[in-house]
Amino acid sequence: EPEVTQTPSHQVTQMGQEVILRCVPISNHLYFYWYRQILGQKVEFLVSFYNNEISEKSEIFDDQFSVERPDGSNFTLKIRSTKLEDSAMYFCASQGGQGDQPQHFGDGTRLSIL
Amino acid sequence: QKEVEQNSGPLSVPEGAIASLNCTYSDRGSQSFFWYRQYSGKSPELIMFIYSNGDKEDGRFTAQLNKASQYVSLLIRDSQPSDSATYLCAVNSGYALNFGKGTSLLVTP
Repeated sequence: EPEVTQTPSHQVTQMGQEVILRCVPISNHLYFYWYRQILGQKVEFLVSFYNNEISEKSEIFDDQFSVERPDGSNFTLKIRSTKLEDSAMYFCASQGGQGDQPQHFGDGTRLSIL
Repeated sequence: QKEVEQNSGPLSVPEGAIASLNCTYSDRGSQSFFWYRQYSGKSPELIMFIYSNGDKEDGRFTAQLNKASQYVSLLIRDSQPSDSATYLCAVNSGYALNFGKGTSLLVTP
């Protein structure tokens, strides 16, 4: 069964450094998402991406965050200057069609900011 | 603020029993409803989705939706210890999924 693949599985970074999280969505999926989950809290939406542009973003997704689809397969989340509170699991998800189609999640990247 | 509410649990059921997990949501315009299972330290795994009022069955799982009451539930029949996990209710809000905090289910042998 097709999977969403995320790398790395664990990223440890010094506060203030830039970090890039990578995702390979399911091929032929058109909609891509990033979510985060702080330890012990609920899964929170960050951003959705369709047709090479952001379609929706949450209040969490401020100017420190950016997303890119640099080629036909990868989807990346960049955090420009990391803060301690950015420590969380980051999940990439992809979706075949709009709206009511299920979103399929990758295994996540655990980001630890020191 | 669009809310998705779930009892945090833990909900403890004996092996072989029916587990009933409930979720309410505040956005009356929501059209799509999802149940994900999340094991500790792992990612959400899609279990069921439902769009129309009524019941939808898939194996041991049944999702129930009542849009008038803004209520969605998940029944797990013949519960197994391997079903022990946190069950996340998620509701579409535009492009985003809005998740509840999850209900912890413990199935005891």
